[in-house]
Amino acid sequence: GESVGLHLPTLSVQEGDNSIINCAYSNSASDYFIWYKQESGKGPQFIIDIRSNMDKRQGQRVTVLLNKTVKHLSLQIAATQPGDSAVYFCAEYGGSNYKLTFGKGTLLTVNP
Amino acid sequence: KAGVTQTPRYLIKTRGQQVTLSCSPISGHRSVSWYQQTPGQGLQFLFEYFSETQRNKGNFPGRFSGRQFSNSRSEMNVSTLELGDSALYLCASSPLGGRVNTEAFFGQGTRLTVV
Repeated sequence: GESVGLHLPTLSVQEGDNSIINCAYSNSASDYFIWYKQESGKGPQFIIDIRSNMDKRQGQRVTVLLNKTVKHLSLQIAATQPGDSAVYFCAEYGGSNYKLTFGKGTLLTVNP
Repeated sequence: KAGVTQTPRYLIKTRGQQVTLSCSPISGHRSVSWYQQTPGQGLQFLFEYFSETQRNKGNFPGRFSGRQFSNSRSEMNVSTLELGDSALYLCASSPLGGRVNTEAFFGQGTRLTVV
């Protein structure tokens, strides 16, 4: 069956460093791949998505890379700030079934 | 613009009881989805509604049901509660009714504890 998983459950970085969060997926038929951020006590918040026919997409301080050959997705956060501390989920979206399939999550801790 | 509102925020129920959770989407959003979040299973899709129609349902037993009203507000119901139903239930709304709903706006969730 389809599944989306994460390589690292926790990641600790220093403020100002760049962070890279990785994700493996198994469903090659997904239309989009997405990153969500969940802060303590809040629901997940959309960060950025990438269509399956793209390799890279940039947002504000974030870049998502998609490697379809090895079914790998990554989120790069530039100049990580304490406010970036949260759990990050990768997710895949299949347009025909109207649902997000989430990975298990990676806890990012930013040390001041 | 108000965000997604879920009520109640916290709920404690006894095994065997039933519970109804409510979700008010962002104004103008017509797609509402429900997810269950637990430490062990993570975020799992329950169902999605658009224009009062359920378009997809996750792999949950029939005890889990939902509905959407004409004003897009949604409710989910869990009958015959089990201890394993203890979780954070998240509702998400999306502005588009078409195929692409990658940007879902989540509420803060309802924390259900079954004792």
